[in-house]
Amino acid sequence: NAGVMQNPRHLVRRRGQEARLRCSPMKGHSHVYWYRQLPEEGLKFMVYLQKENIIDESGMPKERFSAEFPKEGPSILRIQQVVRGDSAAYFCASSNGNEKLFFGSGTQLSVL
Amino acid sequence: DQQVKQNSPSLSVQEGRISILNCDYTNSMFDYFLWYKKYPAEGPTFLISISSIKDKNEDGRFTVFLNKSAKHLSLHIVPSQPGDSAVYFCAAIVNNQGGKLIFGQGTELSVKP
Repeated sequence: NAGVMQNPRHLVRRRGQEARLRCSPMKGHSHVYWYRQLPEEGLKFMVYLQKENIIDESGMPKERFSAEFPKEGPSILRIQQVVRGDSAAYFCASSNGNEKLFFGSGTQLSVL
Repeated sequence: DQQVKQNSPSLSVQEGRISILNCDYTNSMFDYFLWYKKYPAEGPTFLISISSIKDKNEDGRFTVFLNKSAKHLSLHIVPSQPGDSAVYFCAAIVNNQGGKLIFGQGTELSVKP
């Protein structure tokens, strides 16, 4: 009965380092979404992936951010050369293609 | 450009009374709306949804009302319980944009015993 699994729950990085956030979708789901929540704000869409394909990346910053969802293994959100402004909660969600998204518990990224 | 707005950051209600959470939107292309509930340090949990072809959807203590002409929806919780205390997010979607939910800023509901 595994839901959407994200790890790590907390990630601390120094400025300039790389951050890798992992997400395993709910069993049977092949659609993965990444959202970011900055302090005192709602969740903002970043990217939508379906096995090996990026469907919509309109919410991704143009530089330093990338996402993948390989045929085998979890989806990865990668942030290169992190800056303090990247500190946020990053949530992954999955679905079977309809509008009802199931969210993971998030990864809290702190950049020192 | 905030397309989905929850203008009340917080709401306090007595246990047993009705909680009404409001949400306004600007994009007339939205055709599906959802409410999510979020506890601290957890991800949002789906609560209830409504299609734009309806004006009401009910599930137990939770009812969502949609007023398309006013571009307004509301979530009613009755009776409210202390366990309902959480942050509630309204979200909207344009059907041909997959799971690209547009979220409001959230309303923190506190239900007092």
